[in-house]
Amino acid sequence: KQEVTQIPAALSVPEGENLVLNCSFTDSAIYNLQWFRQDPGKGLTSLLLIQSSQREQTSGRLNASLDKSSGRSTLYIAASQPGDSATYLCAVRRGSGNTPLVFGKGTRLSVIA
Amino acid sequence: EAQVTQNPRYLITVTGKKLTVTCSQNMNHEYMSWYRQDPGLGLRQIYYSMNVEVTDKGDVPEGYKVSRKEKRNFPLILESPSPNQTSLYFCASSLLDRENSPLHFGNGTRLTVT
Repeated sequence: KQEVTQIPAALSVPEGENLVLNCSFTDSAIYNLQWFRQDPGKGLTSLLLIQSSQREQTSGRLNASLDKSSGRSTLYIAASQPGDSATYLCAVRRGSGNTPLVFGKGTRLSVIA
Repeated sequence: EAQVTQNPRYLITVTGKKLTVTCSQNMNHEYMSWYRQDPGLGLRQIYYSMNVEVTDKGDVPEGYKVSRKEKRNFPLILESPSPNQTSLYFCASSLLDRENSPLHFGNGTRLTVT
């Protein structure tokens, strides 16, 4: 059974720092991996999706990497801003079709001005 | 604007009173799904649908029903709500069988059952 773990559960950094959020998964046979952002009381916003054949994806100040063999993904946030404060969730999909996403429990990020 | 719309955003009800949470998407997505989010447990899938008239159970389907009569709509039905169904609910949709198709989420419905 696929399990997804995100460490740390919470992280507080000063504004301007570069930071890395970690995601690990137990079964390396994945279809894709997705990073989401969730603001308090709100829905999930898709940030980046990495297909199984890809090693990384970039969007603005965000860069996500994937190492299937070690069962790890990282989300790198450059030059953090207070507006980046949110919970970041990692989710893994094992196959196509009806295969559900398996979510980690998230890392709650606070960027202090 | 491409979006997943859930209604209502907030709902307070009493045990046993049937309710429906609606979900609609305007992206012509085949795949739709319902999740619940609880502190310490994360997001768990309730039901999903791969197309019209095709639905199946997720990890926590007990106490819930769904229907998919039209491609754009996927309502979640609680026939007899109980306090343990108090939770934050999310509807999501995506294209089916596209490795690069992200899952799009609605803004959530916070349900309280007293």
